[in-house]
Formats: sequence, structure tokens, C-alpha cells
Amino acid sequence: ETGVTQTPRHLVMGMTNKKSLKCEQHLGHNAMYWYKQSAKKPLELMFVYSLEERVENNSVPSRFSPECPNSSHLFLHLHTLQPEDSALYLCASSQDWQGAYGYTFGSGTRLTVV
Amino acid sequence: EDQVTQSPEALRLQEGESSSLNCSYTVSGLRGLFWYRQDPGKGPEFLFTLYSAGEEKEKERLKATLTKKESFLHITAPKPEDSATYLCAVQTGGTSYGKLTFGQGTILTVHP
Repeated sequence: ETGVTQTPRHLVMGMTNKKSLKCEQHLGHNAMYWYKQSAKKPLELMFVYSLEERVENNSVPSRFSPECPNSSHLFLHLHTLQPEDSALYLCASSQDWQGAYGYTFGSGTRLTVV
Repeated sequence: EDQVTQSPEALRLQEGESSSLNCSYTVSGLRGLFWYRQDPGKGPEFLFTLYSAGEEKEKERLKATLTKKESFLHITAPKPEDSATYLCAVQTGGTSYGKLTFGQGTILTVHP
């Protein structure tokens, strides 16, 4: 167990569905991140939250909607997705908003859009 | 724009055959360079952080080094359990938060 837990591990959804990904960190970290990992592409930063405030939205389509109700929980709400959104979605946390000590990643949610 | 390039894309070694992975970067104001290991179906696992040229860090069979333009991950006498994707990432001083820019990774396979 890495200290960052993501659920579900696998998700298959249709293009008209609405679903949510959940991330929880048990490390007392103050910053949380969503990354997208597609095959043969580098990890792409999606959103950054520092102390529950969103500090970065990296040109992500509005069909992805993040929510950070407190410093331990992060959600990614999904609606009207496209097949090209199929990927591994990784949540990470860092000790502070500067991330000087690197990230701790969760195991990811493997999303398939059909 | 920050750029990180890893080579080779894939590397196949025999057990005990030492080699190196390369991470070259073009950034403005490097704050730190990170190495991660990722096993299939799992998230990346932190290995090292390097902050300045000339710095070296070691962990078991792995040693990471840093110059002003690139970093190397040296693997000495690898074992099959070292098989994984190795990711390099940079953090720059240009942002006010801990954004990491990743390379595409090197897939390492070690055969017994």
C-alpha cells in the first residue's frame, strides 16, 4: 500500500455515462494531483490542488471536472467522455505545494471508454 | 517549454549485464530531477531526487547521476526483478507549485 489509494482500479464506461474517480491519501500531504498516462506518451498533468485550492488546470476539456473537498480526498468527475480519453488516470500527492520531495502516486484507475 | 527525453525507449539485458539509461532535459531553472520506477498496472514509485550537477545517489543496484544537460541511471548487475519502466521527470523554478514534467520512459527487461 503506497499511502495513496485510488478507486476503482478499473472502469469501463459508455460515452454518455457519468462516473467519478476517487483518490485518498493517508500521508498528511498538502498538495494533490491528477495525471493522465496514455500508451507510449509521457504522463500529462491535468490538475493540481494545494490545500484544497485548484492551482492548475492544464487545458483539460470540461468533460473532466475535479473536486477536492479536503486535503485528503480528490475526485475526478467524468461525463460525456470520448474513446481517446481511455487511459490510466493517476493520482499523486506531495508533502507541500512545491513538491520538492517528489510525489507519492496511487496505483491508478484504468479507464476504458466504449 | 520544458522538455525531457529518455533513451533508449526499450532496453533488453541479460541478468548481470550492466548498462545505463539516459534522461536529457531542456529546462529553465532546474529545481530537481526525479527518477521513478513503474511496474505494469501500478503507479510510479519514487527512486531518487537530484538537485545539482555532479550529484550522485545510490540504491541497491541503481545509481543516478546528474549533469547540467542530462541524468543517467546506471544499473549494475541487474536481476529480473529490476524489469520495469523507468521514468525521469524534472521540476523547474518557473512555476509556483510542484509541477513535474515527465519523459516517456525506458522499458527495461532483464532476462534470467
